[in-house]
Amino acid sequence: EIVVTQSPGTLSLSPGETATLSCRASQSLSGTYLAWYQQKPGQSPRLLIYGASYRATDTPDRFSGSGSGTDFTLTISRLEPEDFVVYYCQQYGSSPPTFGQGTMVEI
Amino acid sequence: EVQLVESGGGLVQPGGSLRLSCVASGFTFNMFWMTWVRQAPGKGLEWVANIKQDGSEEYYVESAEGRFTISRDNAENSVYLQMNNLRVEDTAVYYCARDANLWGFDYWGQGTLVTVSS
Repeated sequence: EIVVTQSPGTLSLSPGETATLSCRASQSLSGTYLAWYQQKPGQSPRLLIYGASYRATDTPDRFSGSGSGTDFTLTISRLEPEDFVVYYCQQYGSSPPTFGQGTMVEI
Repeated sequence: EVQLVESGGGLVQPGGSLRLSCVASGFTFNMFWMTWVRQAPGKGLEWVANIKQDGSEEYYVESAEGRFTISRDNAENSVYLQMNNLRVEDTAVYYCARDANLWGFDYWGQGTLVTVSS
């Protein structure tokens, strides 16, 4: 099983700033099968990024993903108030698919 | 519009059973793998099980092996999760999601809460 580790656990920033979230896999991911999800309180997760760097439908362009192998990054530019929620990364190229523990972006 | 609607959650005693259902609409159901993901209260996401388009392959997280069974009915656009011998640690919101292969889990239902408690 590939273990996925996110850092930091909590990121404290202000609106307008840039958030950089990290995700590390315990083994190199084949085909960059790495996704990022956003979860707002009381809601189901929403796909933001797939294939490490491709924005899903309706994902604003202030969200960008990068990385390959074992190290991946989600960058959120110009933070909006609605961006202060929890983000999960997930590897889905190897079974079982596994999620990181989440990063909370807080004001 | 793609929609996934789960049902079947509730309160059950340890050792009991529940069957979760997820009805899909807005896409060609039999073209996609389907998956169940759970989230314990205040915790992160955990993949539980998935099933191939024609139901010929299914996979489970280790903790669910032998206790949970995923199935689907393509005529009813539905996927199910039969959960037996439930444990307190199975308490979670259970989400149904569309597994879009290269594109990740691209649509999720609203979730159904399963509480295992005496």
